[in-house]
This record gives sequence, structure tokens and C-alpha cells, in this order.
Amino acid sequence: AQSVSQHNHHVILSEAASLELGCNYSYGGTVNLFWYVQYPGQHLQLLLKYFSGDPLVKGIKGFEAEFIKSKFSFNLRKPSVQWSDTAEYFCAALSYNTDKLIFGTGTRLQVFP
Amino acid sequence: EADIYQTPRYLVIGTGKKITLECSQTMGHDKMYWYQQDPGMELHLIHYSYGVNSTEKGDLSSESTVSRIRTEHFPLTLESARPSHTSQYLCASSEESSGSGYEQYFGPGTRLTVT
Repeated sequence: AQSVSQHNHHVILSEAASLELGCNYSYGGTVNLFWYVQYPGQHLQLLLKYFSGDPLVKGIKGFEAEFIKSKFSFNLRKPSVQWSDTAEYFCAALSYNTDKLIFGTGTRLQVFP
Repeated sequence: EADIYQTPRYLVIGTGKKITLECSQTMGHDKMYWYQQDPGMELHLIHYSYGVNSTEKGDLSSESTVSRIRTEHFPLTLESARPSHTSQYLCASSEESSGSGYEQYFGPGTRLTVT
């Protein structure tokens, strides 16, 4: 079955630390990849997405992610986190074959001042 | 911010009651979705629709039903709520845009508690 794996369930960082959240997907075909963020009490919103072209994509709030096809990975990075980045982060993949968005289990990020 | 709305935001209701969770979007999107999300878990697709009069069940079995009579409206109904239905329900919509990827826009969610 198609799946998305996020290996970091809970990450705790101090402000200014660098962040990398792992995401792996199991599809072999054409795929769109997404990172969504859910701040406390807010909507799930899109951070960034990859559908073709440059494998390094930049999103909002200084986040970026790199699509590495050979590793089936789409890790999220930020060089210096802020307290306001405290949120739940979800990786998701859309397979053109099934036309469904499959989510990972999410990573809870806590950033302390 | 996406124009997709869900009501109510929070609902506490007793077992056996019939409930309808509302979802509406003003973006003219054909595709709409319902997800169920438990704390610390991934979102599971329970229903989706590709347009008016189109509804399909998702990957996670659910006792709820949906309808799509108007493009902008995609309500979810539980005929007889049970404690096992306690969860957060998220509605989403998307447009088909092969040139820019298929992005789903999410509503704020309804947190349902069945006592």
C-alpha cells in the first residue's frame, strides 16, 4: 500500500537551531509532494510543494525541502528556527495513479526561546 | 488564507444523536474531501467528491455519509453518533491544476466529542 513515513514524532529545539524533518514515501511513479503545517488552533496550511523541476523547493517562512527521487525522500529544512515555528508538521504525497493525498503521522515541533 | 469554512468548530453530543458537520468553500473547486484525524495520528481520507452528485468513500471506513448537491457545499452526516466517532474532522478542497500541482486547502476542522 502507498504510504508516507515521518520518522520524527516529536522534536524539541532551542531558537536559532537548525531543523530537518524526515519524510519518505513509497510510491514509484509520478508524485506530488507537500509539507503542511498546523499552528496551534489554526487551519492546516501549505508550507511548500514539489511537482516537477528543481528538486529544491522553497516555501513560506524560510522553509525549504529537497526531493531526492533515489531515496524516495522529501525532507523539510530550516537553517534557524524561531519560537513561532512551534507547530505540527505533516508530509503528504499525491499519487497521480490514485489521485489521493496520503499523509504521514506528523511531527510535533516545539521551539523554546 | 483559503476560503473554506467548517461549522461547528466544536461539538459535544450524546450517543445516538444525528449530527451534520458543515463544510463550504467559495473557491469554486470541484474536488472536496473529508479527513478524520485523531491526536498524534495522520489524516485519514474518509470521503471525497469530484463534483456535484459525485461522492466516494475514502481509505478509512466510516459510518458517516456525505452529499454534494452544490459545488460549494459538502456536508458530512452521522445518523447515530457513538463515542468511537469522537475525533477531529477536516474538510478540504482542491482545484485540478496540472501545471502547478494539486494543492488541497483545508478548513479549520470540527472537533467532535460523543459522550
